[in-house]
Amino acid sequence: GESVGLHLPTLSVQEGDNSIINCAYSNSASDYFIWYKQESGKGPQFIIDIRSNMDKRQGQRVTVLLNKTVKHLSLQIAATQPGDSAVYFCAEKPGGSYIPTFGRGTSLIVHP
Amino acid sequence: GAGVSQSPSNKVTEKGKDVELRCDPISGHTALYWYRQSLGQGLEFLIYFQGNSAPDKSGLPSDRFSAERTGGSVSTLTIQRTQQEDSAVYLCASSLAHGGAGGELFFGEGSRLTVL
Repeated sequence: GESVGLHLPTLSVQEGDNSIINCAYSNSASDYFIWYKQESGKGPQFIIDIRSNMDKRQGQRVTVLLNKTVKHLSLQIAATQPGDSAVYFCAEKPGGSYIPTFGRGTSLIVHP
Repeated sequence: GAGVSQSPSNKVTEKGKDVELRCDPISGHTALYWYRQSLGQGLEFLIYFQGNSAPDKSGLPSDRFSAERTGGSVSTLTIQRTQQEDSAVYLCASSLAHGGAGGELFFGEGSRLTVL
């Protein structure tokens, strides 16, 4: 399940399950939304992005959904694998800005 | 390798000392970013360089922090008179002009700074 508290939000799933990681963004003027994956001891790695004129984009085993009405972004990972265990960050980039603003991150733990 | 290279990977220093962190971006990437990541937290923007334009320093937390980018390539982040609250992982990222077509930044593995 998902828990939010003083520590990083954590999502625990079983291998093979689908995972959904959620993100609320703040700036209605943002025109790009990006998901990054950060494994322990490494820098964040780009996963997928979506432009504000879209509401869904698919990649390999990942789907990003954008709901501008409620300013919500989600990352769906199909058939989650232990190698997907990492911290996932959403980021938004306002129109006219070249600087992504990152959210706090969600820790995904995949149990074999 | 062809990725973003940062050094040192780990730095332990005493309160009050100055430190320099280095970033070597991907060749051909004109945009360079510095972010700071404290334990269990998200990424806090520090500074952005784009080509020969004046850098966006709006994220620097105090005047003890400064950064340079020489020749449009290597960047150095300097923290003067370090404080314990400066302890964090400092991440450098580079990208094609203006962050690429969408938002893809390429990050280095970071420099972990510990101020005793």
